[in-house]
Amino acid sequence: DADVTQTPRNRITKTGKRIMLECSQTKGHDRMYWYRQDPGLGLRLIYYSFDVKDINKGEISDGYSVSRQAQAKFSLSLESAIPNQTALYFCATSDPSVPTGELFFGEGSRLTVL
Amino acid sequence: KNEVEQSPQNLTAQEGEFITINCSYSVGISALHWLQQHPGGGIVSLFMLSSGKKKHGRLIATINIQEKHSSLHITASHPRDSAVYICAVPSGNTGKLIFGQGTTLQVKP
Repeated sequence: DADVTQTPRNRITKTGKRIMLECSQTKGHDRMYWYRQDPGLGLRLIYYSFDVKDINKGEISDGYSVSRQAQAKFSLSLESAIPNQTALYFCATSDPSVPTGELFFGEGSRLTVL
Repeated sequence: KNEVEQSPQNLTAQEGEFITINCSYSVGISALHWLQQHPGGGIVSLFMLSSGKKKHGRLIATINIQEKHSSLHITASHPRDSAVYICAVPSGNTGKLIFGQGTTLQVKP
């Protein structure tokens, strides 16, 4: 099994719909992240969580919300999807034993908003 | 100016060539990450290094903290090395990362 699993891997939806992307990890890491990747813009941080009770906004959190249901689960929601949220979304975890420990990424969730 | 700059942005090489990808950053850091992303695929962490050099197979990563520069080298490149290579550095002590724009490498047979 993958260390970090994202579902769904691909999703096409319409403007205004609510979408949830789910992430689960088997690494036992406290730190989890959601990034989006757009061509030419690289990876940008949406939200991050250092433990179940600690959730923080990243650089592009507007239009998104998250839920840390358990240490292993971190979900990203788009309350009302819009076309410019079409992107590739990645969940990641990191080892909390060092401030910048090795990163583990999911396979990505490709979202298309029509 | 981006805090993390990679060069080149695109690179085409013939199989067997020695490849170098560079990463320069403007912030003080404790470590730097090199990541690999295959077309349509996920992202894999290649190296995390804070000083000197690390080697894994045909991949070598070096870092010079004083010069704020890191390089990723690929020896005897192969078409399966074709991917986007991304460097990333931490933003302060938050655990967040600042990513470079990535270098797209294509190795032709």
